[in-house]
Amino acid sequence: EAQVTQNPRYLITVTGKKLTVTCSQNMNHEYMSWYRQDPGLGLRQIYYSMNVEVTDKGDVPEGYKVSRKEKRNFPLILESPSPNQTSLYFCASSFLGQENEKLFFGSGTQLSVL
Amino acid sequence: AQKITQTQPGMFVQEKEAVTLDCTYDTSDQSYGLFWYKQPSSGEMIFLIYQGSYDEQNATEGRYSLNFQKARKSANLVISASQLGDSAMYFCAMDNQGGKLIFGQGTELSVKP
Repeated sequence: EAQVTQNPRYLITVTGKKLTVTCSQNMNHEYMSWYRQDPGLGLRQIYYSMNVEVTDKGDVPEGYKVSRKEKRNFPLILESPSPNQTSLYFCASSFLGQENEKLFFGSGTQLSVL
Repeated sequence: AQKITQTQPGMFVQEKEAVTLDCTYDTSDQSYGLFWYKQPSSGEMIFLIYQGSYDEQNATEGRYSLNFQKARKSANLVISASQLGDSAMYFCAMDNQGGKLIFGQGTELSVKP
């Protein structure tokens, strides 16, 4: 089954404790992206990647890191989480180069930083 | 800078009636794509419909249609014959085909029986 898999689904942590949210897709998509969703603000792009070893900042990259060492994986790293990073996070992927390529989304990760 | 605006934080519609969710956008790009996604209370993001900036006809997908008015920079979603299962958050999004997909703030639709 074609899917984007995010883990964990829920995560509660404390300020400053490094964490990684994993994202994997099995559709051979070139493009992968991370978003955070906050009430009243919609989804905001954190980082995106057009291919292996190619990443770029979205609109809200501060406090986050990503890597794209393999085509299928795009982990989101919070080196020193803070309470303002409490949010719902989505990973998404798609093919590039076609006009109407919709994003496939993961199920989301609800992160709480205490 | 690109921007998507959804001015209706919440809307109500009676079951079986049609409803229009507003979306306006701002971009200086000539080539772009417009999407609508649905997010039910379970949280997943579901793709509904796509409109390309060069498409001359409005996109339709079943009960969903996109009222695309390029000169006004609007891309409203029309849901015909609303169903209770249509109650959800709806997001408009724009893609400049350069890797950045931006979303609006969302509209929460409630369908009344």
